[in-house]
Amino acid sequence: RKEVEQDPGPFNVPEGATVAFNCTYSNSASQSFFWYRQDCRKEPKLLMSVYSSGNEDGRFTAQLNRASQYISLLIRDSKLSDSATYLCVVNRDDKIIFGKGTRLHILP
Amino acid sequence: EPEVTQTPSHQVTQMGQEVILRCVPISNHLYFYWYRQILGQKVEFLVSFYNNEISEKSEIFDDQFSVERPDGSNFTLKIRSTKLEDSAMYFCASRKDSQGSAFFGQGTRLTVV
Repeated sequence: RKEVEQDPGPFNVPEGATVAFNCTYSNSASQSFFWYRQDCRKEPKLLMSVYSSGNEDGRFTAQLNRASQYISLLIRDSKLSDSATYLCVVNRDDKIIFGKGTRLHILP
Repeated sequence: EPEVTQTPSHQVTQMGQEVILRCVPISNHLYFYWYRQILGQKVEFLVSFYNNEISEKSEIFDDQFSVERPDGSNFTLKIRSTKLEDSAMYFCASRKDSQGSAFFGQGTRLTVV
């Protein structure tokens, strides 16, 4: 079983819709959690950290459930510029582990 | 805003040659990483480096690979005897502490011909 698993996608979503990404991690010793965004042929960029209390940044909401080892990301009122690959990232000791990513296409 | 810088942005090399990929992490960061991403595939962990030594490495990071922090600013990845399958994007990353988020350089695209 992969240590970090995400929906394989791609998601094709009309502009303005709400999109939900799911991620699970297998190692309960994982310590911190993040969502990154990666545009084609570019480096991963931090979108937001994820906390058990949930956190929101504008149209983006992230949530962590440690008991079920589940992480989510919600994008409301999606824009064309949200088209990218969304990477679930988990930190364990010195290692930062990436999920395979879910590709999102926002359709005009 | 401080950033991780990588050079070169693109390197083409002949099979069997050695390459050195260079990175300048963010100056007050203590943890350094190399990742690779083959086109269309996931970002794969290669190695982490802390306190002037390798703290963890993946099964990909075999004897063909080595890392070095030769001075206070540079962090290099050396790939010896390159193979066609080493063609990929190589990303360097750094972070301030072991729990914080990592910041990535723009990558070096390595093409082995």
